[in-house]
Amino acid sequence: GENVEQHPSTLSVQEGDSAVIKCTYSDSASNYFPWYKQELGKRPQLIIDIRSNVGEKKDQRIAVTLNKTAKHFSLHITETQPEDSAVYFCAASLRENKLVFGAGTILRVKS
Amino acid sequence: GAGVSQSPSNKVTEKGKDVELRCDPISGHTALYWYRQSLGQGLEFLIYFQGNSAPDKSGLPSDRFSAERTGGSVSTLTIQRTQQEDSAVYLCASSSGGGTIYFGEGSWLTVV
Repeated sequence: GENVEQHPSTLSVQEGDSAVIKCTYSDSASNYFPWYKQELGKRPQLIIDIRSNVGEKKDQRIAVTLNKTAKHFSLHITETQPEDSAVYFCAASLRENKLVFGAGTILRVKS
Repeated sequence: GAGVSQSPSNKVTEKGKDVELRCDPISGHTALYWYRQSLGQGLEFLIYFQGNSAPDKSGLPSDRFSAERTGGSVSTLTIQRTQQEDSAVYLCASSSGGGTIYFGEGSWLTVV
């Protein structure tokens, strides 16, 4: 069925270290994989996305990698800063372009 | 409008009353989603509208919940006979189909 699994559920890192969040999806037809960041009390906002014809995409300190064979994709944040602390959601598109979200990862960056 | 607009932003209602939450998507967006988010929890999918296709209602938690989208634009989520467990933020999102989805600010519902 439609399923996106996200790990870990919580992640605590020291400021300056890297953070990696991983997601797996079930539908091999999925072709769009966005990541959203949600700060406390605010709406989720897109931070980066990748489509199935690309294996990796980078935007400053944030990168996303995609392995279609294994059906998993990951978010990498380098040189983490306190303002990176938030909940991060991955998602995958399914039939009729419906987006399904993972359960979220609470990232805490300790200064 | 410039973004997804939701109203009301906050609603306090008595248990057993009906509530209506409104979402005005970004102009031209064919896809519209409703999600529910309880405090500290993830995004619980409720319903998905895509163009003229039949809506995907698979996430609606009970028959007290319903939603419609009139004219392919504005959507209303209705909760009948509200219960305390319905208290949550109800988020609406829209997209042009296959692309980035944009979320509204949410409607914060409290059932007392």
